[in-house]
Amino acid sequence: DQQVKQNSPSLSVQEGRISILNCDYTNSMFDYFLWYKKYPAEGPTFLISISSIKDKNEDGRFTVFLNKSAKHLSLHIVPSQPGDSAVYFCAAILPGTYKYIFGTGTRLKVLA
Amino acid sequence: DTAVSQTPKYLVTQMGNDKSIKCEQNLGHDTMYWYKQDSKKFLKIMFSYNNKELIINETVPNRFSPKSPDKAHLNLHINSLELGDSAVYFCASSPGRSNEQFFGPGTRLTVL
Repeated sequence: DQQVKQNSPSLSVQEGRISILNCDYTNSMFDYFLWYKKYPAEGPTFLISISSIKDKNEDGRFTVFLNKSAKHLSLHIVPSQPGDSAVYFCAAILPGTYKYIFGTGTRLKVLA
Repeated sequence: DTAVSQTPKYLVTQMGNDKSIKCEQNLGHDTMYWYKQDSKKFLKIMFSYNNKELIINETVPNRFSPKSPDKAHLNLHINSLELGDSAVYFCASSPGRSNEQFFGPGTRLTVL
């Protein structure tokens, strides 16, 4: 039972345009969400996070939106750059636990 | 200086062998984790230690045994390796529950 889903395995975007990566979850008890970026042959690196008490968090070109009623999370990258090409994972945490539950990832390709 | 390091990076071995993967973090974090990324690219937590105490132990065969000699190290020992153990194993650490996790570069294990 996959509690965190990324339904788009891949996405291609032109350089300079907006990239929107989506994530859906089933467990309304999750209280913290994170996005990670992964290059080939490297470990995931943290990008941005959001608490369930907020609906938006922004850090430079990266913004995460949380829609709790829809159980939906999205990551916006504006403007997209070729160096953003990577696999993006969303993750969620249950209260009182250290356990991250990861989505299956979306491969983003930014075309120059 | 590498924050979270793993050795070896690649490990090729025969079925039935016993092998260990080592992980060290120099970030002063209290919590360390082991993840498995299988052929479908799912990143799933296996174990977590907080201050040398086991706090997460997912449904993992007991052929897998984590060992934390101190806060900075979390090693993974695997007995009687099977073909299905082939995967990339990531170590990670974090200062706390809702903080970002820092991942190592991964160890690609291939069981022949």
